[in-house]
Amino acid sequence: EAGVTQFPSHSVIEKGQTVTLRCDPISGHDNLYWYRRVMGKEIKFLLHFVKESKQDESGMPNNRFLAERTGGTYSTLKVQPAELEDSGVYFCASSQEQVGRRNTEAFFGQGTRLTVV
Amino acid sequence: GIQVEQSPPDLILQEGANSTLRCNFSDSVNNLQWFHQNPWGQLINLFYIPSGTKQNGRLSATTVATERYSLLYISSSQTTDSGVYFCAGKKYNFNKFYFGSGTKLNVKP
Repeated sequence: EAGVTQFPSHSVIEKGQTVTLRCDPISGHDNLYWYRRVMGKEIKFLLHFVKESKQDESGMPNNRFLAERTGGTYSTLKVQPAELEDSGVYFCASSQEQVGRRNTEAFFGQGTRLTVV
Repeated sequence: GIQVEQSPPDLILQEGANSTLRCNFSDSVNNLQWFHQNPWGQLINLFYIPSGTKQNGRLSATTVATERYSLLYISSSQTTDSGVYFCAGKKYNFNKFYFGSGTKLNVKP
C-alpha cells in the first residue's frame, strides 16, 4: 500500500511568487494534517482536515496560506505570495481514527522542502 | 498544549557506538511516535509506540506511559543514522501532534 505522498519534493521560488504543495494521504484515511519545520526550529502544526472539512486551522501563520481538500482526498497548501520566512520543510500526515480505539498511528509523508529566495 | 523535551539536543558518535535518546512529556499521551529527519529534510517514520517496547533492526524504542517518557536506542550506529530524531505525542481526540525540538545526531566514520 502506498504511503503518504507529497509533491514536489523540493521547490525553489522567488519572494512574491506563488507555490502550491500537494499531499496524497493513504487511501481511506479521513484525517489529514499539515505541519512545517522552518529555520531549523520545531515541527509545528498548521491544520487538520477531517474528510473535506477543516477541523482546526489554528496553526496557519497568516492569510497568505490557503489549504484545501476538495472531495476529501488529496490536499493542497498554497502560499501566496511567498516570503523568505516561509522557507522550510512542509510535512503532511494522515490517519484513520477508529471509533473505540484510543491509539491510531499517523503516517507522515517525506515532506516538501520549500526555499524562498 | 503538551511540552515535549528531548535530550540530548546534540550528539556526536563514532561509527559503531551505541546511544540512547530520551523524550519526556508534560502530560500523558495516547499516541507517541519517533521520526528521523535525514539530511535531505525527509521525515521517516521509525516507531509508533504509545507503550511497551519495539525493535526494528538496530533501532529499538521503549515507552513508559505511566511516567510519560520514551527512549530510542540506536545500536552499532552508522553514518546513515545521522540527522535529527524527533518524538511526537498526541492525546486521543486532540488534533495535533506536539513535537520535541529534536536530537541532532552526527555519526562520524
